[in-house]
Amino acid sequence: AQSVAQPEDQVNVAEGNPLTVKCTYSVSGNPYLFWYVQYPNRGLQFLLKYITGDNLVKGSYGFEAEFNKSQTSFHLKKPSALVSDSALYFCAVRDGWDGGYQKVTFGTGTKLQVIP
Amino acid sequence: EAQVTQNPRYLITVTGKKLTVTCSQNMNHEYMSWYRQDPGLGLRQIYYSMNVEVTDKGDVPEGYKVSRKEKRNFPLILESPSPNQTSLYFCASSLLGGANTGELFFGEGSRLTVL
Repeated sequence: AQSVAQPEDQVNVAEGNPLTVKCTYSVSGNPYLFWYVQYPNRGLQFLLKYITGDNLVKGSYGFEAEFNKSQTSFHLKKPSALVSDSALYFCAVRDGWDGGYQKVTFGTGTKLQVIP
Repeated sequence: EAQVTQNPRYLITVTGKKLTVTCSQNMNHEYMSWYRQDPGLGLRQIYYSMNVEVTDKGDVPEGYKVSRKEKRNFPLILESPSPNQTSLYFCASSLLGGANTGELFFGEGSRLTVL
């Protein structure tokens, strides 16, 4: 069974500082990894994904994530946090085996609070 | 504009009164799914559909029904709602086949309270 762990319920960071939101995963095959963001009273929005290739993937709003196969991690990063980045962030994984649709499993979410 | 539309966005109902939450997408996606979001539990899948007339249970299907009579619509039915179904519900869709990497498109959510 596949799983995702987001070890921090909340991350606080000062505006302008770099931010990291952690994610580790478990999947039997090759992982497809995703980050989604949820702003208050809104649905989840896709930020970025890792399928294959370069371990550092870039996404929307200046976010990037680093895939580390040996540590089974896919941490979300941004060099300089903005107050408007404050939101709930979800990491997700699916098995990359190409056998039709594969279930996407979500983590429990990490609330990012950027302090002015 | 490509979107997933859910209605109603907010609903307060009483135990046992049947309700339906509608979901419609305009992206011609084969795959559609319902999730519920609860504090500390993240998103849990209720039901999903890989195409018209093809539906299957997710992780927490008890107390819910779905149907997929048209490609664009995937309503969630609570035949006899109970207070433990008070939650925030999301509909999502995606492509299947070669274009499928699992990226999901979400609706804005439906907040349901069952008294």
